[in-house]
Amino acid sequence: KAGVTQTPRYLIKTRGQQVTLSCSPISGHRSVSWYQQTPGQGLQFLFEYFSETQRNKGNFPGRFSGRQFSNSRSEMNVSTLELGDSALYLCASSYDPPGHSSSYNEQFFGPGTRLTVL
Amino acid sequence: SQELEQSPQSLIVQEGKNLTINCTSSKTLYGLYWYKQKYGEGLIFLMMLQKGGEEKSHEKITAKLDEKKQQSSLHITASQPSHAGIYLCGAEAGGGSNYKLTFGKGTLLTVNP
Repeated sequence: KAGVTQTPRYLIKTRGQQVTLSCSPISGHRSVSWYQQTPGQGLQFLFEYFSETQRNKGNFPGRFSGRQFSNSRSEMNVSTLELGDSALYLCASSYDPPGHSSSYNEQFFGPGTRLTVL
Repeated sequence: SQELEQSPQSLIVQEGKNLTINCTSSKTLYGLYWYKQKYGEGLIFLMMLQKGGEEKSHEKITAKLDEKKQQSSLHITASQPSHAGIYLCGAEAGGGSNYKLTFGKGTLLTVNP
């Protein structure tokens, strides 16, 4: 089975621009979660989608948004980029949604998209 | 909100030595995950612990969950250069639609040959 894929792997943008990142989950997985990783704050939860619905959202401003398509692929969008948005953005997929009382909610992570905002 | 504190923040060991990384939670642990990350890359799932007292092993890595202490430990026996990387613990916080996975800041492990 192919793992979680994320595109692009690297991205350079300037302040004020907007960016869209893509995540393709493992085939058959229905849940996709997004995380932001920075040296200062570590790994922080952005949001989670299951069956095209956002189930949960972390403490990030409204400039951060996402969506999930019927094939479970997900995109996240960041508008009006700020220097502090420079980070590694990771997505993770699982068959069942995180928190579900099953053995199938283990999250598999993609390689990440490295976003640099100049 | 739940916070996870990992110790030590970094660790340098000689190949062949044993080591332990700890993860302490500010709240009760219901599910505890251990991941390994190569710098700038994605996370590789190591193991998940769900019950107090649970212990799991994979190759030379063993993880335990002490529910009373709200702590988990990751032990590597006879370390190898391939064990080098950042080890992250993650814990389930909230439940149902409020669920989210909270992570510690990570422990950077260097193994010198």
